[in-house]
Amino acid sequence: RKEVEQDPGPFNVPEGATVAFNCTYSNSASQSFFWYRQDCRKEPKLLMSVYSSGNEDGRFTAQLNRASQYISLLIRDSKLSDSATYLCVVGRGATNKLIFGTGTLLAVQP
Amino acid sequence: EAGVAQSPRYKIIEKRQSVAFWCNPISGHATLYWYQQILGQGPKLLIQFQNNGVVDDSQLPKDRFSAERLKGVDSTLKIQPAKLEDSAVYLCASSLVNWVSVYEQYFGPGTRLTVT
Repeated sequence: RKEVEQDPGPFNVPEGATVAFNCTYSNSASQSFFWYRQDCRKEPKLLMSVYSSGNEDGRFTAQLNRASQYISLLIRDSKLSDSATYLCVVGRGATNKLIFGTGTLLAVQP
Repeated sequence: EAGVAQSPRYKIIEKRQSVAFWCNPISGHATLYWYQQILGQGPKLLIQFQNNGVVDDSQLPKDRFSAERLKGVDSTLKIQPAKLEDSAVYLCASSLVNWVSVYEQYFGPGTRLTVT
């Protein structure tokens, strides 16, 4: 079993749709949580950190449930430019080693 | 501010050959990471340096992979000899890290390695 599990997709949604990605992690010692975005043939870039209280950045909302070891990302009013792979990432250990999920591919259709 | 630089961007080699990748992190970033990203997977940490010391190399296949960061700035990752399963994108990242806070990792554009 992978330490960070995500639905690989693809998620094909029309412009303007709301889409939700889910992620689970198996190591209860994980201490930091992130969503990264990776465009095709590009490097990953931090989209947002995830906190237990939940956090929002414009059209993006991230939630963390430590009890269930579950992380989510909600994208409202999808844009064509949101098309990318979204990587769920957890950090653990003294060095905050990052463990990446396999990513979920989102394709926003016109 | 300049980002993380990597070279070469692409490399094609035959199995059993050797190859080296170079990374120059963002100026002032003490921590440097090498990741391997196989097609369809997320990046996997190979090695982490804090200045010129190795912090974590638990997932580095040490029989064929080696890395160094001699002066605490740029770094090289070497594979010798390469295997077909080493075909992947090798990503370098850097960050400001202290043992109280954790900072964002910034990734370079990667080196796409194809082993034939």
